[in-house]
Amino acid sequence: GAVVSQHPSRVICKSGTSVKIECRSLDFQATTMFWYRQFPKQSLMLMATSNEGSKATYEQGVEKDKFLINHASLTLSTLTVTSAHPEDSSFYICSARGGINSYEQYFGPGTRLTVT
Amino acid sequence: QKEVEQNSGPLSVPEGAIASLNCTYSDRVSQSFFWYRQYSGKSPELIMSIYSNGDKEDGRFTAQLNKASQYVSLLIRDSQPSDSATYLCAVQIQGAQKLVFGQGTRLTINP
Repeated sequence: GAVVSQHPSRVICKSGTSVKIECRSLDFQATTMFWYRQFPKQSLMLMATSNEGSKATYEQGVEKDKFLINHASLTLSTLTVTSAHPEDSSFYICSARGGINSYEQYFGPGTRLTVT
Repeated sequence: QKEVEQNSGPLSVPEGAIASLNCTYSDRVSQSFFWYRQYSGKSPELIMSIYSNGDKEDGRFTAQLNKASQYVSLLIRDSQPSDSATYLCAVQIQGAQKLVFGQGTRLTINP
């Protein structure tokens, strides 16, 4: 149980384009989803917290107009990186919370974004 | 002072020995504690959660929590080379939805 998927696993895009990443909880309803970013050999960095049907809460320093988050259902959240630039290249990971053990967060496999 | 602190390592342990990973946290109202394992290039995987003082065992893993001293540890018995990874300690503060992560301890099990 507690499986979270992400799509795509890997994406390469040109500078200036937008990229959408999907995060799905496959076997539980996720009341809360989280989006993280991780640069090579660095710690996880929380970008935003998203509750189903509400606006996301962004961490300090994360531009909400650049990283658009939608959590329209209890099993799906999306992150759109708008007008991507090479410095946005990173490993984007979502996690979901809400099943039987609702304190626990389960991570998706991550999406590796490369902006050329 | 960081909210959640871990020794970044690397920590090297011979195969078959006990690996001991430690984590301290600063917020006294922290209520939930988690250990995640992250292999290089992969996302974190939840391996243990602990909510009350004492020990919690799951297979070769034992989590230990001491709220008075504000530390949580993870013991891995009979360490295997496949246990080589970065171990992340995470803490949830009462009333908050998000987890606060330590910077992780890189563990290497030497055959």
